[in-house]
Amino acid sequence: DQQVKQNSPSLSVQEGRISILNCDYTNSMFDYFLWYKKYPAEGPTFLISISSIKDKNEDGRFTVFLNKSAKHLSLHIVPSQPGDSAVYFCAARSNNAGNMLTFGGGTRLMVKP
Amino acid sequence: DAGITQSPRHKVTETGTPVTLRCHQTENHRYMYWYRQDPGHGLRLIHYSYGVKDTDKGEVSDGYSVSRSKTEDFLLTLESATSSQTSVYFCATSLGGPAIYGYTFGSGTRLTVV
Repeated sequence: DQQVKQNSPSLSVQEGRISILNCDYTNSMFDYFLWYKKYPAEGPTFLISISSIKDKNEDGRFTVFLNKSAKHLSLHIVPSQPGDSAVYFCAARSNNAGNMLTFGGGTRLMVKP
Repeated sequence: DAGITQSPRHKVTETGTPVTLRCHQTENHRYMYWYRQDPGHGLRLIHYSYGVKDTDKGEVSDGYSVSRSKTEDFLLTLESATSSQTSVYFCATSLGGPAIYGYTFGSGTRLTVV
């Protein structure tokens, strides 16, 4: 049973518009959430994170929103750029599972010029 | 100046043979992890280490073993490779809890078992 789900395998947006990537989770013990970006033939790179005590965290063009009651988080990219085209993974840490992260299946974002 | 080096980058092996993948870090990070990436499954944790000689199992540890004799090296061994172990394997490290520091990933090893 996947505890972290990204229900959209792919997303296509126009350059300059907003990209919204979604993630749902089931484990109430998750206390920290992270987003990673992955280009082909490279390892994932850390993008942005949010603690469960917050509902928003912003870093430049990237904003993560957390809705704890809905067990849902989203990553907003504004404005989207062609270089943002990559696979995005949502990840979560459980406060009773040490330092391991549970990852979602990923969403492939394509930003068209 | 790569902080994490995985070797080999690509490997093709036959069913039933043992395979060892190596992860080498220069970050002096305490925690090290092995993940596999498969379509539709994202990244799944195989084994992890929280210090030299301290390792534990992850979500998909069957058929895999690990060793960590030095801070900088974390080895993943497929004891008898099977076709279901065809995957891309990623090593990751973290200084402390990943929630604060995040993980640093290597570039991956693409393993094909024929």
